[in-house]
Amino acid sequence: EVLLVESGGGLVNPGGSLRLSCAASNLTFSYGFSAYTMHWVRQAPGKGLEWVSSISNGGNYIYYAASVKGRFTISRDNAENSLYLQMSSLRAEDTAIYYCAREGEYNFDYWGQGTLVTVSS
Amino acid sequence: EIVLSQSPGTLSLSPGERATLSCRASQSISDSYLAWYQHKPGQAPRLLIYGTSDRATGVPDRFSGSGSGTDFTLTISRLEPEDFAVYYCQQYITSPPGYTFGQGTKLEIK
Repeated sequence: EVLLVESGGGLVNPGGSLRLSCAASNLTFSYGFSAYTMHWVRQAPGKGLEWVSSISNGGNYIYYAASVKGRFTISRDNAENSLYLQMSSLRAEDTAIYYCAREGEYNFDYWGQGTLVTVSS
Repeated sequence: EIVLSQSPGTLSLSPGERATLSCRASQSISDSYLAWYQHKPGQAPRLLIYGTSDRATGVPDRFSGSGSGTDFTLTISRLEPEDFAVYYCQQYITSPPGYTFGQGTKLEIK
């Protein structure tokens, strides 16, 4: 079983910033955390799933959804088995549960339980 | 941009019945790029099917996927009480690299 644990969510004012973290249990990654592309996916209240961003195993290839490009930054620390999402210029429409997920070759094969981000004054 | 449209929006069935969920793409996509997920409230989404028809690890064989081109189907042969959830299809986009989901089908107990 792959274990992914998100943290860092909370209430933030519009225009504010927040940094999410995802801790991966390296014991349960068959080839080690550093071998896998990782993602952030979110779900707004009452809405469906939306892919947010991805980062390749070595961090060289990074992609964002158009809705967050220029405001969010994904990063990772393979020595610490951790994934991050720095969010800035937050808007009400960024309110969502944010999940980290492992790349399973064109899909997401393991997910964390999510962390809730609420953007409101 | 390729859009995924799922139908029906809500499906009301009883345990033991067969469920057929549809996912239609606005343009043809590779079979390798289509996946299905189950999502229950308060839980992490769960990968069920990848590459259109391959079951993920630990997924019961009552779940099956099929389709090609623009039309894809998730079938649950005999519904168990734990199968009532929201189901999403998902595609991988090659250029620029990204992923999109359908809007979901809610499978509810009749």
